[in-house]
Amino acid sequence: DTGVSQDPRHKITKRGQNVTFRCDPISEHNRLYWYRQTLGQGPEFLTYFQNEAQLEKSRLLSDRFSAERPKGSFSTLEIQRTEQGDSAMYLCASRASGRSDEQFFGPGTRLTVL
Amino acid sequence: KNEVEQSPQNLTAQEGEFITINCSYSVGISALHWLQQHPGGGIVSLFMLSSGKKKHGRLIATINIQEKHSSLHITASHPRDSAVYICAVPNSGGGADGLTFGKGTHLIIQP
Repeated sequence: DTGVSQDPRHKITKRGQNVTFRCDPISEHNRLYWYRQTLGQGPEFLTYFQNEAQLEKSRLLSDRFSAERPKGSFSTLEIQRTEQGDSAMYLCASRASGRSDEQFFGPGTRLTVL
Repeated sequence: KNEVEQSPQNLTAQEGEFITINCSYSVGISALHWLQQHPGGGIVSLFMLSSGKKKHGRLIATINIQEKHSSLHITASHPRDSAVYICAVPNSGGGADGLTFGKGTHLIIQP
């Protein structure tokens, strides 16, 4: 257990539905990252926050995706109008600013879109 | 944007063998990460290094900054080492932003 938690761990949804995932980072970590991993591939960067500010978004993050970190603590990732291509593992990681570059990963949320 | 190449993609070896996994990247970096991922998805950080060599138990990681290359070695490999090993570097070289990952090396150690 790295101290980063994600909820839910698994989500099955039908195409066209909206889904929301939550990430709770290690409490003193002010940087939070979202990644997506499809089967057989390495993770891909989606977005990251420093405190409540979203500082970078990947081109992978289409307008159906939105991420928030309203109070600089937990974060949510919402996918609207899900498509089968959204099926993947969604990983969250956190790290402390000013410390080493090490990121601590959560267990991931596995999304299956039917 | 950094690009990462990892090799081999798949590796099957017998227990006790010395294992080497290689990683190359395209943009100068502040630090390189070696990560381990077991079935089920959980990712654990093994090493983060910016120069030279680090050792933890039977795992050794080396990096050559000039060559933009790193290797992960496992000595006296054991079936419990079976996992996916992933190399990752900062997206644009600096330490603050997200990571770019290799595709991973799927390692199987047979008893």
